Amino acid sequence: DGGITQSPKYLFRKEGQNVTLSCEQNLNHDAMYWYRQDPGQGLRLIYYSQIVNDFQKGDIAEGYSVSREKKESFPLTVTSAQKNPTAFYLCASTSSSHAFFGPGTRLTVL
Amino acid sequence: EDQVTQSPEALRLQEGESSSLNCSYTVSGLRGLFWYRQDPGKGPEFLFTLYSAGEEKEKERLKATLTKKESFLHITAPKPEDSATYLCAVCSDNYGQNFVFGPGTRLSVLP
Repeated sequence: DGGITQSPKYLFRKEGQNVTLSCEQNLNHDAMYWYRQDPGQGLRLIYYSQIVNDFQKGDIAEGYSVSREKKESFPLTVTSAQKNPTAFYLCASTSSSHAFFGPGTRLTVL
Repeated sequence: EDQVTQSPEALRLQEGESSSLNCSYTVSGLRGLFWYRQDPGKGPEFLFTLYSAGEEKEKERLKATLTKKESFLHITAPKPEDSATYLCAVCSDNYGQNFVFGPGTRLSVLP
């Protein structure tokens, strides 16, 4: 089955810690995205990558970092500089017609 | 700047009571308008893509329509399993392949 996987499903972070969220796709899509979802708000774009070894900041990139070393993988690191990281994080990739989403990772700061 | 708004914020229907959800958008050069369904704690699931005013798409009890300023998601004779948050998104010339999402409409269908 083709699709997008995200891990872990739940993640807990202590103050001052960096944590990395995994995103893998086997859809052979070039473009991949990271979104943050907060209650009552639309999805907000953190970073995106349209090709391997290249990525761009989205609307809320501060406190986050990414890498794109392989077409299939687009991990997101939430750094200690992100002051309010508690949220639901969604990874997506796009075909010519629409975006496909992963199941999400819920990050909670302890 | 591209903007997407959705109304109502929340909608409660009785099973079988048809209604419509609204998505209003302000974009420069619409490339596509997308509807997604999202269940609690899960990723959005694709429903429809609309490209031009006048276009309509249907899937089971759902029908999406598009004008130059808004889109409607019509739900006919809904069932409790249609309960979810429905998200609207646009892709425009301003953002290339990127999407701008609305806040969603939370639909509850009561048996």
